[in-house]
Amino acid sequence: DTAVSQTPKYLVTQMGNDKSIKCEQNLGHDTMYWYKQDSKKFLKIMFSYNNKELIINETVPNRFSPKSPDKAHLNLHINSLELGDSAVYFCASSPRDRGLYTEAFFGQGTRLTVV
Amino acid sequence: GENVEQHPSTLSVQEGDSAVIKCTYSDSASNYFPWYKQELGKRPQLIIDIRSNVGEKKDQRIAVTLNKTAKHFSLHITETQPEDSAVYFCAATTAGNMLTFGGGTRLMVKP
Repeated sequence: DTAVSQTPKYLVTQMGNDKSIKCEQNLGHDTMYWYKQDSKKFLKIMFSYNNKELIINETVPNRFSPKSPDKAHLNLHINSLELGDSAVYFCASSPRDRGLYTEAFFGQGTRLTVV
Repeated sequence: GENVEQHPSTLSVQEGDSAVIKCTYSDSASNYFPWYKQELGKRPQLIIDIRSNVGEKKDQRIAVTLNKTAKHFSLHITETQPEDSAVYFCAATTAGNMLTFGGGTRLMVKP
C-alpha cells in the first residue's frame, strides 16, 4: 500500500522517559512534517523537513527533535517527557507540483499518553 | 507567523440543509488553502483546496470561496448527509508548506 505510516499507534510512558515515534512514507514526497493534536482537537505544526531544510515551529520545546535517516523517513524523538506532551501526533508528507506545495497526506496518528 | 481563525466551532444542521464554515488568515503571503475532514479517531483527509489565484472551486456538493483582499475563505457543503458529520479544519500555508490550521468546526448533520 502506498501511504504514510507511523508506529506505534499507541504509546503509554512515564514522565521523564525518552521516546521515539517512527514515520515512513512511500509516496516519493519531498517534504515531511510532524503535527500535534491536543485534547481540544487543535492541530499544530511542529516541524517541516525536506532534504535541504528543517523549519521548526518556534513554540516547540527543544525536547522534541526530528531525525531523518533518509528522504522517506522522519522520526520524532522526545526527551524528558512531560504530562503536557500527551496528545495525538501526526506525521504527514506532501509533494511539490512545479514548485507549488500541494496536499499533505497524514499518517494514522500516534496517541501518546504520559503518566 | 500565520494565524487562522475558524468559525463556528460547532454547527448543527438538518439533513439536506447547507452548511457554511468560515476562516480568516493573517499572512497575505499565504497562497494555498486546503480543507480537511477528520472523522472520530481517524486522520485528517483533504476534501478540497484552493490556491490564491482562484476565487472559487467546486467539487460536487462541496465548494470553497476565497477573498484574498479580505483574507478570508469559506467552505460550503450543500445537501448535507449524516456521513458529512465530522470535524472540519481549514488551513493556510506558510514557509515550507507548514500548514497553520484553524481551530476546527464540529459539524453534526441530524437525520
